[in-house]
Amino acid sequence: KNEVEQSPQNLTAQEGEFITINCSYSVGISALHWLQQHPGGGIVSLFMLSSGKKKHGRLIATINIQEKHSSLHITASHPRDSAVYICAVPGGGFGNEKLTFGTGTRLTIIP
Amino acid sequence: EPEVTQTPSHQVTQMGQEVILRCVPISNHLYFYWYRQILGQKVEFLVSFYNNEISEKSEIFDDQFSVERPDGSNFTLKIRSTKLEDSAMYFCASRIEGTTEAFFGQGTRLTVV
Repeated sequence: KNEVEQSPQNLTAQEGEFITINCSYSVGISALHWLQQHPGGGIVSLFMLSSGKKKHGRLIATINIQEKHSSLHITASHPRDSAVYICAVPGGGFGNEKLTFGTGTRLTIIP
Repeated sequence: EPEVTQTPSHQVTQMGQEVILRCVPISNHLYFYWYRQILGQKVEFLVSFYNNEISEKSEIFDDQFSVERPDGSNFTLKIRSTKLEDSAMYFCASRIEGTTEAFFGQGTRLTVV
């Protein structure tokens, strides 16, 4: 069973700051997911990555497969980025496609 | 853009009542999931469904729960006799073959009173 840990649990920053959220997992995986949960509760998939780095706008996700670690970065943060960011991995490692979720990082960006 | 849709968005029910949560997955997706999130806790896997049968279920998914794909488009989660502790956000997700990328619905907030 894959164990997923995220840090920090809560993060408050000023608008414009560079944000980093970390995720580590215990069992080798085929891909890692970063998700965003809005205040109303809905979940949106941000990234799925299996190696290296991906970028969408101001969001960048990196993964180090050897170290079983991923980071989500937000550049030039904005109040609309305030949400819970969740890391998720296949639950049983390779070939097990149900997702195991981290506890999430609650991000608050202050104008 | 195709999306997973869930109805209702919020349901309040009395303890002991049956509820059915509905999901319409993306049309060419073959794998379907239900997850739930109790307030303040992490999202947990309930059940996965493929080829018209359950492929995996968690310890949470006991005899009170069932899933069905009644008509080739809807995917439902039924809770036969709701308990207070079933109060949670329930998420449906679907994916195509060959990837773990799942697309999530907006969730149904179930409140059992």
